[in-house]
Amino acid sequence: DGGITQSPKYLFRKEGQNVTLSCEQNLNHDAMYWYRQDPGQGLRLIYYSQIVNDFQKGDIAEGYSVSREKKESFPLTVTSAQKNPTAFYLCASSDDLRGTQPQHFGDGTRLSIL
Amino acid sequence: AQSVTQLGSHVSVSEGALVLLRCNYSSSVPPYLFWYVQYPNQGLQLLLKYTSAATLVKGINGFEAEFKKSETSFHLTKPSAHMSDAAEYFCAVSGYSTDKLIFGTGTRLQVFP
Repeated sequence: DGGITQSPKYLFRKEGQNVTLSCEQNLNHDAMYWYRQDPGQGLRLIYYSQIVNDFQKGDIAEGYSVSREKKESFPLTVTSAQKNPTAFYLCASSDDLRGTQPQHFGDGTRLSIL
Repeated sequence: AQSVTQLGSHVSVSEGALVLLRCNYSSSVPPYLFWYVQYPNQGLQLLLKYTSAATLVKGINGFEAEFKKSETSFHLTKPSAHMSDAAEYFCAVSGYSTDKLIFGTGTRLQVFP
């Protein structure tokens, strides 16, 4: 079955530590997205990528970094500069670059501070 | 700029009652509108989408939504609620002016027996 796989499902970060969240898709989609979800705030866009080796900042990119070395993979690193990283992180992909088609979502990674 | 407003962060209904979740949008271009559902600790699943082909859109699980340009609304309805409909629902908008989805803040639906 085609889809998006996020791992791990739960992740804990220590003070001053960088952690990386994995996102892999086998849908052959060009566009990939990372969102942060906090209670009562909906989804906020962190970074997105429309093509390999290129990505753009979303609304809340500070304290995060991404790479897009392969079409299938779009890992997100939460750096120590992100002072409030506790949240639910969702990865999504789409085969349409104009936003006219729906995005497909993974099952998320829940990040907590130790 | 595009935006989405979901009225009511929580909605409670009895099993078998009508479900109505409200969504109003703001867009300077013809919008593409989506409703997603999220069950606890899961990702978002597409319920339905509006892409200008028809104003009444039918989705999965018995849900439908009607696009009303004059009211800038895209409310989600279901004639008879089931216990399994308890979840969080998100309305989202995109359009030719942006390749990004703009999400509402979500409405949590509770269904009582």
